[in-house]
Amino acid sequence: GAGVSQSPRYKVAKRGQDVALRCDPISGHVSLFWYQQALGQGPEFLTYFQNEAQLDKSGLPSDRFFAERPEGSVSTLKIQRTQQEDSAVYLCASSLGVTTAYNEQFFGPGTRLTVL
Amino acid sequence: KQEVTQIPAALSVPEGENLVLNCSFTDSAIYNLQWFRQDPGKGLTSLLLIQSSQREQTSGRLNASLDKSSGRSTLYIAASQPGDSATYLCAVFLDSSYKLIFGSGTRLLVRP
Repeated sequence: GAGVSQSPRYKVAKRGQDVALRCDPISGHVSLFWYQQALGQGPEFLTYFQNEAQLDKSGLPSDRFFAERPEGSVSTLKIQRTQQEDSAVYLCASSLGVTTAYNEQFFGPGTRLTVL
Repeated sequence: KQEVTQIPAALSVPEGENLVLNCSFTDSAIYNLQWFRQDPGKGLTSLLLIQSSQREQTSGRLNASLDKSSGRSTLYIAASQPGDSATYLCAVFLDSSYKLIFGSGTRLLVRP
């Protein structure tokens, strides 16, 4: 079956522009995660969805970042008024269950965002 | 606050060598530990997942060990090949959370 897919794979934005990044999780996966990976660093947690409910958004760096998963499947991460420090790879991951017993996360290829 | 550290940050070895990558974490209350591989411009590929009750996991030339009490894990790669060149990331999953906490990775180069 298909894995986690993300689009676009690369995005170049001028400072101040809004961007939207899409994630298609593995079919049937209840949990969905967004991570931000700066150059040379490990991924850092941004937000978590259980079905359509956003249960944790503690990692979102500012109120310019917004994520949604309206039907409990596809998710979109939106960044408003992009700034240079937003440049990073944005990774999406999904996992089958909601309990820690099924917590292996499967990652997509990421979207590399460059803000000029 | 859980912190994950990986040593060394970068490693260059000739083909055929056996090598060890190290990962340490500050909070021993983990549910599991996972090793990932990341190729340039690519996402993360899971290599091995060790539950907190386990001591090690093996897959082909890879062996990962976990010492929860001392907060350490090692990834052993036998008979390294140029195709093993990538960044290797260690991540822990806390008992009380669904978040993966990552280290900064070890960049491995295996020279032909």
